[in-house]
Amino acid sequence: KAGVTQTPRYLIKTRGQQVTLSCSPISGHRSVSWYQQTPGQGLQFLFEYFSETQRNKGNFPGRFSGRQFSNSRSEMNVSTLELGDSALYLCASSLGGRGRDSLLSNEKLFFGSGTQLSVL
Amino acid sequence: DQQVKQNSPSLSVQEGRISILNCDYTNSMFDYFLWYKKYPAEGPTFLISISSIKDKNEDGRFTVFLNKSAKHLSLHIVPSQPGDSAVYFCAAMEYGNKLVFGAGTILRVKS
Repeated sequence: KAGVTQTPRYLIKTRGQQVTLSCSPISGHRSVSWYQQTPGQGLQFLFEYFSETQRNKGNFPGRFSGRQFSNSRSEMNVSTLELGDSALYLCASSLGGRGRDSLLSNEKLFFGSGTQLSVL
Repeated sequence: DQQVKQNSPSLSVQEGRISILNCDYTNSMFDYFLWYKKYPAEGPTFLISISSIKDKNEDGRFTVFLNKSAKHLSLHIVPSQPGDSAVYFCAAMEYGNKLVFGAGTILRVKS
């Protein structure tokens, strides 16, 4: 079974530009979550999409947005880039079900290798 | 407001010895805890988890202990191997909500 695929792997942008990152989840997974990783801050939750709907949202400004398509693929967009947006952006997929009995399997996230974004 | 804290940024251990990674949390509503391991240039991978109804879970060389009254969990790796050198993230979840991750601890196992 193919893993979570993120593209591009590396990206260099300048301040003020906008960027779109892509994530293809594991086949059959309906939940896609996005995280930002910076040194010393760990993984900061951006948002989660399930069946094309945003189900959870972190504490990031509105410049960060996302969407999910009917095939569960997801994109994340960052507008008006700032230097502080430089980070590794990780996408994770899971089955996403909510039932307590399926908690253990559904809530284990499978991460992609990430997109390293550098803002100059 | 860091709800999950890993206060040790790094840990160095001799091969064959025990590695103990610690994690503290503040939200008493968290009921599920996980550990992830991350190698450079790769995404984190799931390692082991524990439900709040348990105080210990073992999987081979890895054991996670949960102390709910102290809001503390720890990951024990015995014996430690050089291949265990990685960043370890502690994560916690309140049922139905997002996972909250700690800042990570870099483990170096020296041979």
